[in-house]
Amino acid sequence: EAGVAQSPRYKIIEKRQSVAFWCNPISGHATLYWYQQILGQGPKLLIQFQNNGVVDDSQLPKDRFSAERLKGVDSTLKIQPAKLEDSAVYLCASRGGTGDLVDTQYFGPGTRLTVL
Amino acid sequence: AQSVAQPEDQVNVAEGNPLTVKCTYSVSGNPYLFWYVQYPNRGLQFLLKYITGDNLVKGSYGFEAEFNKSQTSFHLKKPSALVSDSALYFCAVSSGGFKTIFGAGTRLFVKA
Repeated sequence: EAGVAQSPRYKIIEKRQSVAFWCNPISGHATLYWYQQILGQGPKLLIQFQNNGVVDDSQLPKDRFSAERLKGVDSTLKIQPAKLEDSAVYLCASRGGTGDLVDTQYFGPGTRLTVL
Repeated sequence: AQSVAQPEDQVNVAEGNPLTVKCTYSVSGNPYLFWYVQYPNRGLQFLLKYITGDNLVKGSYGFEAEFNKSQTSFHLKKPSALVSDSALYFCAVSSGGFKTIFGAGTRLFVKA
């Protein structure tokens, strides 16, 4: 089966600009996650969707970050305006397999954002 | 609150030798424990998990991990390391399959 797709793979912007990332999860996976991975750290959950509803967005900086998952499939994560500290890799993951795989998250390749 | 600790920033091992990457956790309730590997410019790749059952879990590429409830540990092991195992390894924990917390990662370097 196809994996989690993300685009773009790389993005360079200047501070105060806006940027959007796109994620297409594994087909049929109901749960979708966005993580922020700063260099040298583990992934940190930004937001979790169950179908098109938000389950957890407690660590999402809502003054500048927003995310949506229309129709419960694709998702977009937006930053507006970007700050220097937003430079990171943004990972999308999905979960929703069956049987033994139901608890496992599958990750996309990530989008590396550099804010200058 | 949930937490995960990977006490070693880097582990160095010679090819053919056994390797261990350490992980300890803190969680309320029954832990769901995971190991992921990350290669350069790639996303995280699932290696193995413990949910319930046997304490010794076998996963991809010859890796295994042992769940130790009394020591709240879930160390990753492999009997014979390969140069191609060199990568960044993340331990993760969730309680009941909810919010997953990742460790800071351990870089494994296997020299030929």
